[in-house]
Formats: sequence, structure tokens, C-alpha cells
Amino acid sequence: GQNIDQPTEMTATEGAIVQINCTYQTSGFNGLFWYQQHAGEAPTFLSYNVLDGLEEKGRFSSFLSRSKGYSYLLLKELQMKDSASYLCAVRDMTTDSWGKLQFGAGTQVVVTP
Amino acid sequence: DAGVTQSPTHLIKTRGQQVTLRCSPKSGHDTVSWYQQALGQGPQFIFQYYEEEERQRGNFPDRFSGHQYPNYSSELNVNALLLGDSALYLCASSLRSGGARYNEQFFGPGTRLTVL
Repeated sequence: GQNIDQPTEMTATEGAIVQINCTYQTSGFNGLFWYQQHAGEAPTFLSYNVLDGLEEKGRFSSFLSRSKGYSYLLLKELQMKDSASYLCAVRDMTTDSWGKLQFGAGTQVVVTP
Repeated sequence: DAGVTQSPTHLIKTRGQQVTLRCSPKSGHDTVSWYQQALGQGPQFIFQYYEEEERQRGNFPDRFSGHQYPNYSSELNVNALLLGDSALYLCASSLRSGGARYNEQFFGPGTRLTVL
């Protein structure tokens, strides 16, 4: 099985930067995904990392260290619309050749004026 | 290009009843995964269908079953409903073949199931 841990909630002010950490344990790692989910809506894809390093996409960046089982999502220049739950998900390839996603519980980010 | 669609949006059932939820994948996608998301939790993987067969299954009892049709649409069936089955049920589609860099899963809006 897998353990995926991320903080429950984080609060930051508009215009600031917030870093959401995610740690995981798996024997069949094949990629880490970050999703954004607004209340009552479906998760939407933000980023994907399979190799170590930083992936940047506009205001959002994601980092992965496979040896440490660690990732973070960096949100820059926070806007009020960034208030949402951020889900860390790991793709597990131990069961067969096509991985399923295992999600963390999500980190609720609250952006204040 | 329509994204992933699910029906119904909301559903209220009583304990012991059976329910069927439906999902149409994003155009061009061949794989459908189903997830259960309880309030305040992340989605939990139920199972995945590809080529009309269940390919992987999460830690869910046999009361949860599914089907995939030749047009790639899918159904999730839950029998003998329990109060604990109340959740948001998400369908996600992806393309198993075709060489997509990361085989991104696109989620539908979900079906909110309430069991009384």
C-alpha cells in the first residue's frame, strides 16, 4: 500500500507564495500528480512529475525528489480564486502495467485579502 | 469537444437499495476509472475499466461493480447501499494507448450520492 501525507490546511494572503508539501511511500512509483479541487467541483489537473526536479507552469511549480519520497507544489502571486483543495496523487505501477492513482486527503488553501 | 460527463448529478437513496451511476469519457479516451470521495477526503480508487474489462480494483467490496460498453462509456453499480456509501462519486477518463506523456486523467463533475 501507500501512505500519502500532506497538511490539512494552509492560509496565506493575496499576492503571497504558498508551498504545499507531500510525502509518499510506494514501491512502484510511476509519477506524481497535483490536482486542484474547488468545493463541489471535480479535480482539475495542475502538474505531473516523474523525474527529479522542478516543473514550472505559470504561477504554479511542482518539485519532486524520488529518493526522499517528497514533492511540493508552489503557488506564487496568490489570487482569491486559488482558494481550493490541492490533492497530491501518486501513480502506483506495482499491480500491473497500468497505474492507478492514490490520492492524499488534500490540503485546503485559504487565501485572505 | 465534450469533456467527461456523469449522470445523475445528485441522487438520494435509502439503505439496502441499489444505484447505478453513469459516465461518458472524454472524446478519444478508452479508459474509465471510478473514485469515491468522502467529504474532506481525497478520492479513493474503486476500479478501472479498459476494453470492457475490469483491469484494476481498489479496496472496495463486491457490492461495487461496474461495466464498460463498446463506446467506452461506463456504469458503476452499488448494491445493498449503506449509510457509509454517501459520497461524491467521480469518473475519470484517460487514454491507455497512444503514448500520452503522462496519461492524464480527466475528471467528470461527479455524482453526489446520499444514502438515508
